[in-house]
Amino acid sequence: GESVGLHLPTLSVQEGDNSIINCAYSNSASDYFIWYKQESGKGPQFIIDIRSNMDKRQGQRVTVLLNKTVKHLSLQIAATQPGDSAVYFCAESGGSYIPTFGRGTSLIVHP
Amino acid sequence: GAGVSQTPSNKVTEKGKYVELRCDPISGHTALYWYRQSLGQGPEFLIYFQGTGAADDSGLPNDRFFAVRPEGSVSTLKIQRTERGDSAVYLCASSLWLAGIEAGELFFGEGSRLTVL
Repeated sequence: GESVGLHLPTLSVQEGDNSIINCAYSNSASDYFIWYKQESGKGPQFIIDIRSNMDKRQGQRVTVLLNKTVKHLSLQIAATQPGDSAVYFCAESGGSYIPTFGRGTSLIVHP
Repeated sequence: GAGVSQTPSNKVTEKGKYVELRCDPISGHTALYWYRQSLGQGPEFLIYFQGTGAADDSGLPNDRFFAVRPEGSVSTLKIQRTERGDSAVYLCASSLWLAGIEAGELFFGEGSRLTVL
């Protein structure tokens, strides 16, 4: 069937490796950032968020880094597992409370 | 159910027809969003409700698109005179929005895949 991963930037890793997915955002007024994971045929699922007054936030196996100077966001996944295979989107929002999504990166984890 | 429910999951229609897509958000979530996702793209914002009112409809592409949320819960996205370019997955999300705080985590449904022939 169709996949939202088609034509997207792709990151291929081996199981157990660490993955880093990058995202550049454009709106310097954005003050809230979110990473979502989307598996084929499903809606996006919240992973982790970060506010602009922070530069790092950690969750379970995931870390988000925010560099406001260069408007760059990254998602680090430790010990990547086959179940992490999906498309990952960064989203930004400001006072409008409406997340704006980037294009996404397809993560493929090889067993 | 515990999550956001969208129906139908798949809809095939002919060009020029009228379509309704339904979203049943998580109980108690005051904020409801509609997004559209084309193949290989991220979700694109369409409209946002806070309670019964459309707080922001700036993402609706033209006047063929309309959405309602009459009782502040279930929402219906309506598309008139469908065109082939309307083919996409239409995603609904809800969140528990507190005044003065970002929407926080959006909970998405699985989407309604619309195909216009």
